[in-house]
Amino acid sequence: DIQLTQSPSFLSASVGDRVTITCRASQAISSYLAWFQQESGKAPRLLIYAASTLQSGVPSRFSGSGFGTEFTLTIDSLQPEDFATYYCQQVHSYPRTFGQGTKLEIK
Amino acid sequence: QVQLVESGGGVVQPGRSLRLSCTTSGFTFSNHGMHWVRQAPGKGLEWLALIWYDGSKKFYADSVKGRFTISRDNSRNTLFLQMSSLTADDTAVFFCARDNSIRGIGIGYLYNWGQGTPVTVSA
Repeated sequence: DIQLTQSPSFLSASVGDRVTITCRASQAISSYLAWFQQESGKAPRLLIYAASTLQSGVPSRFSGSGFGTEFTLTIDSLQPEDFATYYCQQVHSYPRTFGQGTKLEIK
Repeated sequence: QVQLVESGGGVVQPGRSLRLSCTTSGFTFSNHGMHWVRQAPGKGLEWLALIWYDGSKKFYADSVKGRFTISRDNSRNTLFLQMSSLTADDTAVFFCARDNSIRGIGIGYLYNWGQGTPVTVSA
């Protein structure tokens, strides 16, 4: 199975900050990676797929990059609604594994 | 708009079985693969299973293979998850999600999610 490791697991930041979350895969997965946002008590929401394609309706302050084994999610100018938990997921092979999550908290 | 509504969760004793349903609307259900994902209390997301648009292929996580069965009824636009031999480790919120690939073509991402149904395994 492909393991995904996110770093950091916890991130403290302020409104207006720029933050970056990293997702590393245990083997190469091309660009077959998605990023999800999950607010407390809610369903996950797809933000980015194919490593860098912004899902419709997602603000442009979110961006993704990477290929192979290392990927990043960047949020420019954090807004109050961005404080949530973020997960990466690979769709290269089965099982479709998720990273352990990164909780973004207000400083 | 796309809607997915899970149901069937509740409290169940260890060793028993439970069937979850995911009723969908707003898209052509028979064109899309469907997933189940769960989230244990305070934990991360765990992908469980995928069924192809026509039910011809099914894939499972090792943690549920042989105990859980994913199925679908395209005439009722509904997805199912039959769970057996449940243990406390299966306590979680269970989400269904729509795969964006159409009739198996393309790489499928989990485009739309339901709100989840909670399952508690306890004596």
